[in-house]
Amino acid sequence: KAGVTQTPRYLIKTRGQQVTLSCSPISGHRSVSWYQQTPGQGLQFLFEYFSETQRNKGNFPGRFSGRQFSNSRSEMNVSTLELGDSALYLCASSLRGQIMNTEAFFGQGTRLTVV
Amino acid sequence: AQTVTQSQPEMSVQEAETVTLSCTYDTSESDYYLFWYKQPPSRQMILVIRQEAYKQQNATENRFSVNFQKAAKSFSLKISDSQLGDAAMYFCAYRSAEEYGNKLVFGAGTILRVKS
Repeated sequence: KAGVTQTPRYLIKTRGQQVTLSCSPISGHRSVSWYQQTPGQGLQFLFEYFSETQRNKGNFPGRFSGRQFSNSRSEMNVSTLELGDSALYLCASSLRGQIMNTEAFFGQGTRLTVV
Repeated sequence: AQTVTQSQPEMSVQEAETVTLSCTYDTSESDYYLFWYKQPPSRQMILVIRQEAYKQQNATENRFSVNFQKAAKSFSLKISDSQLGDAAMYFCAYRSAEEYGNKLVFGAGTILRVKS
């Protein structure tokens, strides 16, 4: 069974540009969550999608957005990039929206560098 | 809002020895889940062990076990017979069972170094 796949693995962008990151969950998983990992702020929850609907959102500015497609694949978009957006972006997939003992499986992340 | 605190930025252990990583959390909820994740240099987060708050029995997974003290809001991870492959960043995480979804709240992490 294939794991969570995130593309691209590495990305370098210029301030002011926008970027789209992709996450393909494990087959059959319908919940996808996104996290930002930085040395200063640690791991912070961005948002979660289930059945193409955003179910939960973290405390990030509106420049951060996402969506989920009917095949459960998810994309996150960051517009007007700032230097502080440089981070490892992790995606996690889970079987359902909420059920006991639902484990979150993580991808290897996308390393975004803003210059 | 829930918070998770890991007070040990870095720990070292000799191969084959035992080490304990600390984690405390703050919540007003009574039903929740606690996790320990491992992040090796490959950056892939791997679930090490999980504890349901309603279970009094401490979870165990092979060489990994937890000491869950609900009243004290403490959730420590014990690694027995440490191996070189255990070297990684370890994160303690909280997930509500009362709110919808799979949102995880993470601690700052503890770097574990294993000496041969």
